[in-house]
Amino acid sequence: GENVEQHPSTLSVQEGDSAVIKCTYSDSASNYFPWYKQELGKRPQLIIDIRSNVGEKKDQRIAVTLNKTAKHFSLHITETQPEDSAVYFCAASMGGQNFVFGPGTRLSVLP
Amino acid sequence: GAVVSQHPSRVICKSGTSVKIECRSLDFQATTMFWYRQFPKKSLMLMATSNEGSKATYEQGVEKDKFLINHASLTLSTLTVTSAHPEDSSFYICSVGKYYEQYFGPGTRLTVT
Repeated sequence: GENVEQHPSTLSVQEGDSAVIKCTYSDSASNYFPWYKQELGKRPQLIIDIRSNVGEKKDQRIAVTLNKTAKHFSLHITETQPEDSAVYFCAASMGGQNFVFGPGTRLSVLP
Repeated sequence: GAVVSQHPSRVICKSGTSVKIECRSLDFQATTMFWYRQFPKKSLMLMATSNEGSKATYEQGVEKDKFLINHASLTLSTLTVTSAHPEDSSFYICSVGKYYEQYFGPGTRLTVT
């Protein structure tokens, strides 16, 4: 079955700097890769996603890149703000089914 | 997106009792809902996929007789933890599948004493 790894497990950046979180997946049949942000005690919220027919997607300060050949995808957050502090999860899925989540990255943005 | 509610948000029960958690899709008719379990500072572990009008598909290692899932309508799925024990204490989160995407409910924190 699918296996998703995520690095780093914790990340601290200064406010205004960029943050990059990387994930790898094992199943080449996976074709949908979402990223979720979860604040303490709250629900995971979808922040950006990418399908396997696209190499990059951007939404304001957030971007995701996908390398299908290497089976890895990354989340890029620019101009980080304290409210970006949270746990971020990547996931891999086949057509909206069989979601497998990475272990998470705890991002701290220091003022 | 999709708006998903979950009830109750917190529940404390005694060992041996059963607890029912409801997940509602408020603005979308969901043929597929998912149930996850999340331990503190850990990732989301898929327990089962709930399909409206049919039996749920459970992940390996999840006891279907212990975690009963019912998806009787396009807006409601329920998870019943039967004969709960302290090790069942966890954060249970449901989600709604909308095309490729998933939208999560606010979660239910279950504590079994």
